[in-house]
Amino acid sequence: ILNVEQSPQSLHVQEGDSTNFTCSFPSSNFYALHWYRWETAKSPEALFVMTLNGDEKKKGRISATLNTKEGYSYLYIKGSQPEDSATYLCAFPRGETSGSRLTFGEGTQLTVNP
Amino acid sequence: GAGVSQSPRYKVTKRGQDVALRCDPISGHVSLYWYRQALGQGPEFLTYFNYEAQQDKSGLPNDRFSAERPEGSISTLTIQRTEQRDSAMYRCASSPTGGLHRGDEQFFGPGTRLTVL
Repeated sequence: ILNVEQSPQSLHVQEGDSTNFTCSFPSSNFYALHWYRWETAKSPEALFVMTLNGDEKKKGRISATLNTKEGYSYLYIKGSQPEDSATYLCAFPRGETSGSRLTFGEGTQLTVNP
Repeated sequence: GAGVSQSPRYKVTKRGQDVALRCDPISGHVSLYWYRQALGQGPEFLTYFNYEAQQDKSGLPNDRFSAERPEGSISTLTIQRTEQRDSAMYRCASSPTGGLHRGDEQFFGPGTRLTVL
């Protein structure tokens, strides 16, 4: 994998369902992986920055895991609510340090129906 | 300020005009990034600064695009002789330590929506 890939592109779930989606990234020269939540007409909101293989981070009902050896991260949302509807972006720093440009995936657009 | 601010929020210009977009990062943040975001897509990197030094401008699409951050705080992205294909959301982000810490987040501003007629 040369770039960041996210799947699925879009997802429709019912309120209360739990869901997850995937970010795949180059596994060589791993430095960090970022997850953002983005609602149209707003700024992308940072959810997690993950740096260590096996990392698991949690914020409320949202959690993420990281496997740097195989180059993927999962984002989980437990008990989805309509306000979780947004596009979830992952991003991978390119360049010599993490203080360099982020390459974003296309995002997973989540719609939670009441 | 509390977050990254950008101005103007919306800019409509005629093809051929120059535009200047401003970014005011979070106070004290070392790094400042410019991204361009097309509708329905993730941000695409343009350039970034550590303090006043431009570290990477490989994402600038052509020489009509330039950026500066003369005092290591506020930055201006300038597009000369605008073309319709320049229409997009231009986002600025800042991060605290210039990449010295692996867990550095990038905090995004609200963006400037540029429309070139």
